Amino acid sequence: EVQLVESGGGLVQPGGSLRLSCAASEFTFNTYAMSWVRLSPGKGLEWISAISGSGGTTFYADSVKGRFTISRDNSENTLFLQMNSLRVEDTAIYYCARGLQWNYFDHWGQGIQLTVSS
Amino acid sequence: SYVLTQPPSVSVAPGQTARITCGGNNLERKTVHWYLQKPGQAPVLVVYDDSDRPSGIPERFSGSNSGNTATLTISRVEAGDEADYYCQVWDNSGDHPEYVFGPGTKVTVL
Repeated sequence: EVQLVESGGGLVQPGGSLRLSCAASEFTFNTYAMSWVRLSPGKGLEWISAISGSGGTTFYADSVKGRFTISRDNSENTLFLQMNSLRVEDTAIYYCARGLQWNYFDHWGQGIQLTVSS
Repeated sequence: SYVLTQPPSVSVAPGQTARITCGGNNLERKTVHWYLQKPGQAPVLVVYDDSDRPSGIPERFSGSNSGNTATLTISRVEAGDEADYYCQVWDNSGDHPEYVFGPGTKVTVL
């Protein structure tokens, strides 16, 4: 069974940095694009970044472009999200999700909480 | 960027049919996917490619897409169907591709 397990969340001050990780198992990691999606309090799902299976192609939502960097280590089956210049509005539950054919997400992690507050 | 619209809420009695709409410009030219999310849980894919169901999703869930509107239909609604439902598309028509989610519809089972 496909498993995606996020880690690295927590409480950080505005302007701070944090790196999220997503450990993947039970599928051939390097053949799938992966994404980060967040759920903010009182809001809906928001896609924020995606990366191709090889890691050579990345996409970002305008809300995080220039502040967040997505990457992956295919030797360790792990997805990362480096978050810099964090803002209060980045507070959310962050999910990693497996993408199918640059089309939809068929598996999701359980999510990890990020709180940005002074 | 591409925008999807959804009604904020839909209420339905048990055993009845719930229809959740998703609107977008020329939406029929895109493939629409649907997720449900219950409080404290991860989203779950319930319909993909407009009308296909992943394994394990009941036949009560069905989808369609025509014109500017896609619809997720839940037949014979059960109490356990109460959740937030999101439509989603992949938009590569602009200067940078992106996944787009609708704002979500809260389904309440009366």
